[in-house]
Order: sequence, then structure tokens, then C-alpha cells
Amino acid sequence: DSGVTQTPKHLITATGQRVTLRCSPRSGDLSVYWYQQSLDQGLQFLIQYYNGEERAKGNILERFSAQQFPDLHSELNLSSLELGDSALYFCASSLITDTQYFGPGTRLTVL
Amino acid sequence: KNEVEQSPQNLTAQEGEFITINCSYSVGISALHWLQQHPGGGIVSLFMLSSGKKKHGRLIATINIQEKHSSLHITASHPRDSAVYICAVRNNNNDMRFGAGTRLTVKP
Repeated sequence: DSGVTQTPKHLITATGQRVTLRCSPRSGDLSVYWYQQSLDQGLQFLIQYYNGEERAKGNILERFSAQQFPDLHSELNLSSLELGDSALYFCASSLITDTQYFGPGTRLTVL
Repeated sequence: KNEVEQSPQNLTAQEGEFITINCSYSVGISALHWLQQHPGGGIVSLFMLSSGKKKHGRLIATINIQEKHSSLHITASHPRDSAVYICAVRNNNNDMRFGAGTRLTVKP
């Protein structure tokens, strides 16, 4: 158990809908990262937050947004969902930018 | 060409064999990570390197910054080492780029 929790574990929704994925980092970690893993694209970095502020941005679509709250949990919002957004979404946390601890992932299926 | 290239893509070994997985990258980096992804999907960070060599149990990771190359070695491999091993680099813009992974199968 990495100490990072993600909810929900599974999510099935329809095209055009909006969903929110939630991540709670390990106790004491200030950085949260979001990743997408799809069969055809592999792992991709989406975004990093550090202590509530955006720290780095990767291949995050404009339809996606994230935030980190004062209690350091983070949410990833995915809107206007398309079939191609079906993937595993991982959250990871670290103290600053050191070793990352990964959550179990949220499997999103868009029908 | 991908910024992070791993080889081999697939690797089958007999229990006890010494295993090497290679990672080459083409960008400036601040750190390189080796990750292990189990068949169930969970990801574990094995190493984070910015120079030299690190060892943890039967796993050894090395990096050569000048040659932009890293290797992950597994000594005395065991069937429980069967997993996908992923190399990732953090570039100088704090963006993370991933290799496609090496699928390792260790047979008893």
C-alpha cells in the first residue's frame, strides 16, 4: 500500500459527460501528479501540483482541468468526454519532486 | 522518434538469470525514474536517479548523463519479478516523458 488513495476505482460514463477523479496524497507529501495510461499511448504525464499551485503541465487537454485543495487532496475534472478518454488515470504524490508513490488508479470507461 | 526509448520491448528469462533493461533519452533531464507495473496495473517507483548508481536488494540502476543512457539490472531473477518496467525522465521543464515499457517474464 503506497498510502495514496484514489476514488472511484472504476467509472463508466457516456460520451459528452463530465467526471471528477479524486486523489488523496500520502501524509506529508506536498506534490500531486496526474497521469493517463491508455492502451495506444502508454503512460502520459498530465499535470503536477505542489502545495496548491500548478508546478508543471504535460499533455493535458483543454477539456481536462485539475486542482489541489488546501488539505492537499487533488481532483482531476474531465469534461465533454470522448471514447478516446477511456484509460487508467493514476495519481502519484511525493514530498517535493523526489520519489513518487502511485495510487491504485481509476479506470475510466467512456461508452 | 520518441524522447525515451527502451529496449528490449519484451524479455523472457529463466529463473536465476541476470537481466538488463536499457533506456536511452534524447532530452536534457533533471531526473530519471524506473517504475515497475504489475500485471494487476499497480505502479511502484523503483529508483529515481540523477547520477551514478543505486542499489536496492537485487535491483541495480545506473545512469550515464553524458551518454543519456540508463540501465536497470535484476540479479538472480525470480518469477515474481515478472512485470512491465518503465523508464521515465523528468526534463528541464519539469515535464515527465515515458518509455513504452519492457515486458519481463521470468519462468521458473
